[in-house]
Amino acid sequence: AQSVTQPDIHITVSEGASLELRCNYSYGATPYLFWYVQSPGQGLQLLLKYFSGDTLVQGIKGFEAEFKRSQSSFNLRKPSVHWSDAAEYFCAVGAEGNEKLTFGTGTRLTIIP
Amino acid sequence: DTAVSQTPKYLVTQMGNDKSIKCEQNLGHDTMYWYKQDSKKFLKIMFSYNNKELIINETVPNRFSPKSPDKAHLNLHINSLELGDSAVYFCASSRETGVRAEAFFGQGTRLTVV
Repeated sequence: AQSVTQPDIHITVSEGASLELRCNYSYGATPYLFWYVQSPGQGLQLLLKYFSGDTLVQGIKGFEAEFKRSQSSFNLRKPSVHWSDAAEYFCAVGAEGNEKLTFGTGTRLTIIP
Repeated sequence: DTAVSQTPKYLVTQMGNDKSIKCEQNLGHDTMYWYKQDSKKFLKIMFSYNNKELIINETVPNRFSPKSPDKAHLNLHINSLELGDSAVYFCASSRETGVRAEAFFGQGTRLTVV
């Protein structure tokens, strides 16, 4: 069965600083990987996704993520965060032939001035 | 224009009551979903419909019954509400089925059972 671990429950970053949110997955075959963001009071919005090919994927809002098969990781990065990036971030994993996404428990990002 | 809209946004009700949450999408998508997010923020799929047909039915109590009158609507009816049903329920839609399809989420319905 597939699973996702987001080791950091809460991260605080200064505005303008760089950001990395960790995501580790467990799945036997090549996974499909996603990052979603949930702003307060809102639904989830897709930031980026990886299916195959280039292991560094670019997403919206200046985010990127890198798939590292050897580490079973798909960490989300942003070189310089903005106050509007404060939100909950969810990593998710899926696979061909499996209709369901499995989500991690999220990382809450706080931005301080 | 809201792409995926849910009503109500908040719902407080007593144990034992029956309630419904409505969902509508104006994206022209064929697939709709219901997800449950518990107090620990764990998000799990409950149901998925494609063109009004049920394609995913996770292990949820049969007190939960989805209804899709047309492919733009997927409502969730819950009978005999229990304290453990308190959660945020998200409706979502996608153009097609399968995990490769990008899901668009509504803003959620926070259900509190007292």
